[in-house]
Parts: sequence; C-alpha cells; structure tokens
Amino acid sequence: EPEVTQTPSHQVTQMGQEVILRCVPISNHLYFYWYRQILGQKVEFLVSFYNNEISEKSEIFDDQFSVERPDGSNFTLKIRSTKLEDSAMYFCATQRGAKNIQYFGAGTRLSVL
Amino acid sequence: AQKITQTQPGMFVQEKEAVTLDCTYDTSDPSYGLFWYKQPSSGEMIFLIYQGSYDQQNATEGRYSLNFQKARKSANLVISASQLGDSAMYFCALFRDNYGQNFVFGPGTRLSVLP
Repeated sequence: EPEVTQTPSHQVTQMGQEVILRCVPISNHLYFYWYRQILGQKVEFLVSFYNNEISEKSEIFDDQFSVERPDGSNFTLKIRSTKLEDSAMYFCATQRGAKNIQYFGAGTRLSVL
Repeated sequence: AQKITQTQPGMFVQEKEAVTLDCTYDTSDPSYGLFWYKQPSSGEMIFLIYQGSYDQQNATEGRYSLNFQKARKSANLVISASQLGDSAMYFCALFRDNYGQNFVFGPGTRLSVLP
C-alpha cells in the first residue's frame, strides 16, 4: 500500500478554470509538500505545510495557488485560475522519520487546454 | 542558495554491470541530507537511498550504494548488477536539515540498461 495516494491521476481542464488536486497520506504524517514537474524538466518545490499552516513556499506558489487540509486527512492543492503553463505533473509528498525521507505519491498529471 | 548538479543527462549500462550516477551539490548548511529517487516511465517518484551529512559510513540499500565524499561535495549513486527494470530517470536531491525545508532536485540522469 502506498504511503501517499493522489487523486485524480490525470486532470484535464480549460484555461481559467479552478482545479483541486488531492493527496491522502496513509498515516499521521505531519509534514506535507507539493512539487511540480513540467514535462521533461526537473522537480520543483511549490510549498511545504506543517501543523495546518504553510511553512515555506517558492516563487512559483503565487496567489493562484492555495493549500489546505480540510478534514485532517486530505491535503489539497488548489489552482484558482489555471494557465497553460500550469500543465505539469504535480506530486504530493509526506515526510516521516528522523531521516526526513519524503514519500511521494504517484502524481497528478494536469493538462490545461 | 542550494544547488544540485547532475552532469550526465543520459547513461547506458549493460545488464548485470555496475553503473555510477554522478551528483554534486552546493550548500553552506552544516547539516543536510542527500537523497536519490528513481522515476520510471510511469511517473512516480521512488525513494532509493539517503545519506546524512554527519553519517560516517556510506549508505547502502540492497543493490544501491552512495559514494559520499563530503569534502568534494559529491554523492554519487552506485547501482550494482544492473537490471532491465533499473531503466528510469534518477534524481539526486538535497534536503536542508531544518524545520519546513524542502528538497532541491537535480536535473536528473536517464539510465538505460541494455540487455
């Protein structure tokens, strides 16, 4: 059973629409992360979330993005008004243990048309 | 600023042979972690191995070992006895050992294992 489950696996949306990407960890992880990987490029950090608040965010994570943990288990990334350049694979990761190992979900491929 | 360099965009290795994937890093933090992840064509990111900056011995996990040279700031991944299923992208990542810090990923190396 994977440490992290992401849904949906693939999301197709029209430019300007809102999307919500979901992440569910398997156990009581405290740290959550979202990363983005544009096709063929390296993985980029978006935001980290700890104790129900953002602990760090990158310059990519602008006002169009938001994260929340609405019910104590799901962890969501919302893109308010999608742009073509938001097309990418979005990974959720959670961290546990003293070694700071981050376990990644299988990703959500977002395609903005 | 933290930075990870992987100078090999692509590598080929014969099945059953060993291969080394290079990774150099740049950080001024005294405490940090180095990670390797595998990304097969299906897209998921699979954790392979971890090395802490204060670890005295090089990390090993099955067929994976990490050649950690702290003074040179390198953390090369060695895969022994390559298998066809090892064909994938491999990313080196640096983690600063502070609360709320994130990973900085390298650009990756695409490994192709030949039969």
